[in-house]
Amino acid sequence: AQKVTQAQTEISVVEKEDVTLDCVYETRDTTYYLFWYKQPPSGELVFLIRRNSFDEQNEISGRYSWNFQKSTSSFNFTITASQVVDSAVYFCALSEGRAGFQKLVFGTGTRLLVSP
Amino acid sequence: NAGVMQNPRHLVRRRGQEARLRCSPMKGHSHVYWYRQLPEEGLKFMVYLQKENIIDESGMPKERFSAEFPKEGPSILRIQQVVRGDSAAYFCASSPTTSSGEQYFGPGTRLTVT
Repeated sequence: AQKVTQAQTEISVVEKEDVTLDCVYETRDTTYYLFWYKQPPSGELVFLIRRNSFDEQNEISGRYSWNFQKSTSSFNFTITASQVVDSAVYFCALSEGRAGFQKLVFGTGTRLLVSP
Repeated sequence: NAGVMQNPRHLVRRRGQEARLRCSPMKGHSHVYWYRQLPEEGLKFMVYLQKENIIDESGMPKERFSAEFPKEGPSILRIQQVVRGDSAAYFCASSPTTSSGEQYFGPGTRLTVT
């Protein structure tokens, strides 16, 4: 069965601190996609990244970086030098090939609070 | 290219009324997905539709909920005889295919049942 676990319910940091959001997934499929979305207080979902199961290269985009490790079934997200605007709920999600990539399974989210 | 459109953005219904949520996918997208986000929870898949067909409704409650995606016009998620527990944010997403795994989300409709 497919499952995504975000064990951190809420994280509070002070501006300029680095913070890592954890994501652990379960799947029996060998072909899948992993995603991160941001949900700011306004409520919309903002796409951050998609990673396929065959590409374990870490990715960096500005202050954001992602560490994908198949050996531990983890896809962690790090924000460097956090800013108040990073305050949001962050969701990790999984989409399986055997299900035709037809639905996303989301974790329960991690609420990040960045204070000035 | 306009993104996924959802309306209304906010909907208030009394218990027992019907709620109709609309979703217009991005231009050229023929795959539509509906998700529900209960307060303080993650999103849960409800249904996947292609034009005129329901492909996967494994996440839909058995009663009172239905969805359609007609040949012309937006996709509709319909909730009959709403109850307080239906209060949630309902998100629609669309994709041009399924093979990329990528889904583009609309801004959501926040349903409040009083």
